[in-house]
Amino acid sequence: EIVLTQSPGTLSLSPGERATLSCRASQSVGSNYLAWYQQKPGQAPRLLIYGASSRATGIPDRFSGSGSGTDFTLTIRRLEPEDFAVYYCQQYGDSPPYTFGQGTKLEIK
Amino acid sequence: QVQLVQSGAEVKKPGASVKVSCKAYGYNFTKYVMHWVRQAPGQRLEWMGWINAGKGNTKFSQKFQGRVTIIRDTSASTVYMEVSSLRFEDMAVYYCARSRVPITVTTDGSAFDIWGQGTMVTVSS
Repeated sequence: EIVLTQSPGTLSLSPGERATLSCRASQSVGSNYLAWYQQKPGQAPRLLIYGASSRATGIPDRFSGSGSGTDFTLTIRRLEPEDFAVYYCQQYGDSPPYTFGQGTKLEIK
Repeated sequence: QVQLVQSGAEVKKPGASVKVSCKAYGYNFTKYVMHWVRQAPGQRLEWMGWINAGKGNTKFSQKFQGRVTIIRDTSASTVYMEVSSLRFEDMAVYYCARSRVPITVTTDGSAFDIWGQGTMVTVSS
């Protein structure tokens, strides 16, 4: 089972700043099957990025994903007030179980 | 509008079973895999298993094999997930989520693009 470790646990930034979130896998993620989700309190997760770098439908271009193998990054440039939430990475390779990171909480400084 | 609507909150005693439904709207139900994911308080998301809504075959995380059942009713565009022998640690919000890529392309190897609103399952004696 692939274990995903996200850092930092909490990130305190101001609107307009740039956020960089990290996700490290315990082994290589096949075919870069790595996704990022945003979750707000009381809501279901929302898909932001799939395939490590492809934006999901309707996701603003201030969200971008990068990385390969075991190291992946989600970047949010020019934070908007609605971007403050918890972010999870997920690997969904060819063989389950699909696993999630423990999350990074992005909070307003 | 593509959406998944889940059944309401449940309160169960340890040892009981719970069945959660997930009704799909706005897309061809049998063309996609449906996953179940749970989130215990303060814990990370945890993938439980999936069902091929077309063929009805399933795949589970080893952790849930034998204790979780997933079935579908194509006439109602609905998937059901049942957890038996409930324990206190099963208390969580349970989500259904659709694979982004249709079954014709792949059954595994797809992120989850549409999620239900979640169903809170409380286990209490």
